[in-house]
Amino acid sequence: QQQVKQSPQSLIVQKGGISIINCAYENTAFDYFPWYQQFPGKGPALLIAIRPDVSEKKEGRFTISFNKSAKQFSLHIMDSQPGDSATYFCAAIPGAAGNKLTFGGGTRVLVKP
Amino acid sequence: NAGVMQNPRHLVRRRGQEARLRCSPMKGHSHVYWYRQLPEEGLKFMVYLQKENIIDESGMPKERFSAEFPKEGPSILRIQQVVRGDSAAYFCASSPGTSQYFGPGTRLTVL
Repeated sequence: QQQVKQSPQSLIVQKGGISIINCAYENTAFDYFPWYQQFPGKGPALLIAIRPDVSEKKEGRFTISFNKSAKQFSLHIMDSQPGDSATYFCAAIPGAAGNKLTFGGGTRVLVKP
Repeated sequence: NAGVMQNPRHLVRRRGQEARLRCSPMKGHSHVYWYRQLPEEGLKFMVYLQKENIIDESGMPKERFSAEFPKEGPSILRIQQVVRGDSAAYFCASSPGTSQYFGPGTRLTVL
């Protein structure tokens, strides 16, 4: 049973455009939601994270929007650049520290110059 | 401050051999996690360890797989009698609390 559903599977955006990736979760015990960026042949790198008591968090060109009642959250990449071309994973952790990440299926983003 | 280190980066084994994957967490991190990533798929949790203790192994296959995190030295993921289906990227992550930081992974190929 997939507890975190991610869409779309792939995304093509023009340089300067906005990339939007959506995730939905089922387990209401989740209370920490990180996003990871992964380049081919590399490990996932923590990009930005949010807790449910905040509706939006912005770091540079990356913004997480969180809708607790809908159990959905999304990543927006503003002014997308070719260097942003990577696979992005949303994830969720329940409860307190020291718990396993449940990942979404990933979104492959290609930014065309 | 060095990140999470994993070695080897690439490992080739023949069916029936043993694979040993090593992970050194970031300095000051006491939580270690192992995840497996099959080609074109997301990461799946395998096991969570603290020093000398397995906290959660709910994602580990029941047979052939084991993990340890000794008092001294790196965490080890051990796969005995490997089969072709074990071919994957294995990632280690460490954490001081909530945020998990991943290593570069070990890509295991079983011939």
